[in-house]
Amino acid sequence: ELKVEQNPLFLSMQEGKNYTIYCNYSTTSDRLYWYRQDPGKSLESLFVLLSNGAVKQEGRLMASLDTKARLSTLHITAAVHDLSATYFCAVKLGGATNKLIFGTGTLLAVQP
Amino acid sequence: SAVISQKPSRDICQRGTSLTIQCQVDSQVTMMFWYRQQPGQSLTLIATANQGSEATYESGFVIDKFPISRPNLTFSTLTVSNMSPEDSSIYLCSVEVVRETQYFGPGTRLLVL
Repeated sequence: ELKVEQNPLFLSMQEGKNYTIYCNYSTTSDRLYWYRQDPGKSLESLFVLLSNGAVKQEGRLMASLDTKARLSTLHITAAVHDLSATYFCAVKLGGATNKLIFGTGTLLAVQP
Repeated sequence: SAVISQKPSRDICQRGTSLTIQCQVDSQVTMMFWYRQQPGQSLTLIATANQGSEATYESGFVIDKFPISRPNLTFSTLTVSNMSPEDSSIYLCSVEVVRETQYFGPGTRLLVL
């Protein structure tokens, strides 16, 4: 059974600081997703990582994928309050299912 | 991309009743997915709904409790049957756009009293 673990579960950080969220998964996969969820809202797609060594950046967020280590990271640079949200990674199972297994989520609170 | 709408956006229901949630997509998609997000939790896949075939349910979810319809390539419904307070959750539908990502609907917030 595929398991997806994120850490930390909760992250409180000050504006201007850098931090990394980690996403470990237990079996091989050909695709990894990062989503953002604001309170009371649905999920917003941030990144899709397709191959080993993939790196994508959007603003203050950068995501990377190491398929050999079964690890993805979401790095936050110079955090701002607007980044406060819950971040989920999700791993796509191979084959014809196309289904996603979600991580536990990381609640990020950026303090002024 | 894909724009997804869900109805209702929220509801408060009495235990023992059933609620049908609708999911409409602005383009034709092969696979639609239904997820549940319990309060403060991550997302759990309920079932995959393909047009023209029976839905495929994940472990712990059964058709009698969560019947799904998929009459065409842009629409699906999920019914939560014989509800109990433990069914209080957010229910989200999603679609996969080939070579893009999985897009999620706005969710249906269900409270069962």
